Amino acid sequence: DAKTTQPNSMESNEEEPVHLPCNHSTISGTDYIHWYRQLPSQGPEYVIHGLTSNVNNRMASLAIAEDRKSSTLILHRATLRDAAVYYCILRDAYGGSQGNLIFGKGTKLSVKP
Amino acid sequence: ETGVTQTPRHLVMGMTNKKSLKCEQHLGHNAMYWYKQSAKKPLELMFVYSLEERVENNSVPSRFSPECPNSSHLFLHLHTLQPEDSALYLCASSQAGMSYNEQFFGPGTRLTVL
Repeated sequence: DAKTTQPNSMESNEEEPVHLPCNHSTISGTDYIHWYRQLPSQGPEYVIHGLTSNVNNRMASLAIAEDRKSSTLILHRATLRDAAVYYCILRDAYGGSQGNLIFGKGTKLSVKP
Repeated sequence: ETGVTQTPRHLVMGMTNKKSLKCEQHLGHNAMYWYKQSAKKPLELMFVYSLEERVENNSVPSRFSPECPNSSHLFLHLHTLQPEDSALYLCASSQAGMSYNEQFFGPGTRLTVL
């Protein structure tokens, strides 16, 4: 079972920021928080990951709560190309089966022009 | 282009056919994965290969048989499939070792079993 909870769907307007929430109340100390997204008719693609501190890259920002029981993926300016299903996934740092990507249902993001 | 290619992109087969799906990665990775994505179900991990050894088989029926001849190639051999096996089959690769290593996915093979 997926260890994260995400809203089924969200809507955004183009060029506005989007905050995609993820709850992971049973996160362990060695779990990394990963985000992947899947655009229509494509395989998933990596977005960002973090452990404790907030992270930024060219695609997005990841804000992690101090108790690590929740996180938020931030798209600073949504574009039509950002319409996708976004997956929040916990992966154990030590690998093995707990380090595998276990996908839940994700959040389907729609972006309106 | 993610550096992971899959062929064919679409496949239609009867239940008595034997076919193979091919995945190739050009990223120098040493771990490869097969996933299944059925309609209205989350992506499911099927098999994991690390350093050409199968390290995970998630209770996949024996009608699916993976093969990893080298670190760049991964096959999924299919025989006597059922209509419920119709799905998108995705291949991915990564560097083995730390679990936070990013996985790169191919575009998938859309399989229809008649």
